[in-house]
Amino acid sequence: DGGITQSPKYLFRKEGQNVTLSCEQNLNHDAMYWYRQDPGQGLRLIYYSQIVNDFQKGDIAEGYSVSREKKESFPLTVTSAQKNPTAFYLCASSMVGGGTEAFFGQGTRLTVV
Amino acid sequence: QKEVEQDPGPLSVPEGAIVSLNCTYSNSAFQYFMWYRQYSRKGPELLMYTYSSGNKEDGRFTAQVDKSSKYISLFIRDSQPSDSATYLCAIIPSYNTDKLIFGTGTRLQVFP
Repeated sequence: DGGITQSPKYLFRKEGQNVTLSCEQNLNHDAMYWYRQDPGQGLRLIYYSQIVNDFQKGDIAEGYSVSREKKESFPLTVTSAQKNPTAFYLCASSMVGGGTEAFFGQGTRLTVV
Repeated sequence: QKEVEQDPGPLSVPEGAIVSLNCTYSNSAFQYFMWYRQYSRKGPELLMYTYSSGNKEDGRFTAQVDKSSKYISLFIRDSQPSDSATYLCAIIPSYNTDKLIFGTGTRLQVFP
C-alpha cells in the first residue's frame, strides 16, 4: 500500500534534549512537508522540500532542522532551541507544482516532560 | 490579518442536519481550494479539491467557491455521527503552488 509513515506515534522528550521524528513515503512524491498543529491554531508550516538535498523554511522554522538525503525520507529534528515543542507534528507529501493535493501521515504527538 | 480565516467552532448538530462550514481568504492570488477532514489524533485526509468558482459535489458533500467574495464553503447533507471531526480548509496560492495555507479548522459534532 502506498502512503506516508510517521514514527513514533507518541514521543516524550526531556527539556534540553534534541529529538528526531521520522517520515517516510512510498508515493514517489517529490515534495515533502512538516507541519505543527496546536489547538485552535490549525496547521503551521515548519519546513518543506521540493527535491532531494534542498529544503526551505516555512513560517515557524526556528528551533527545528530537517534533512532530505533521500526522496522517500524527510526527518524532522526538534532541537533544544524550540521553546515550546509539545505539539502534534504532521508530515505530508505531494507532487511538485500544479497545485496538487497533499497526503498526510498519521502524526507524531511530542510531549516535553 | 490571517491569510485564511475559519471559525473554530465547535459546531454541534443533530443527525440528518445540513451542515455549512466556511472559510474566507484575503488574497485574490489564491488559486486552488481544498477541504480536509481530520479525526481526533489522526492525520488530515482530503475530502474535496477545486480550483474554480462554483459548486463541486461528491456524494453528501458539496464544495462551493466564490472567488469574487473570497469565500469557500463545504456543505454536508444528511449529516451522520461518523462525520464528527475537524474540517480544515486549505488554499494554494498561484505564486507558490507548493505551499498549502490552512485555516484553523472547525470542529463538528453530529449527535444521534
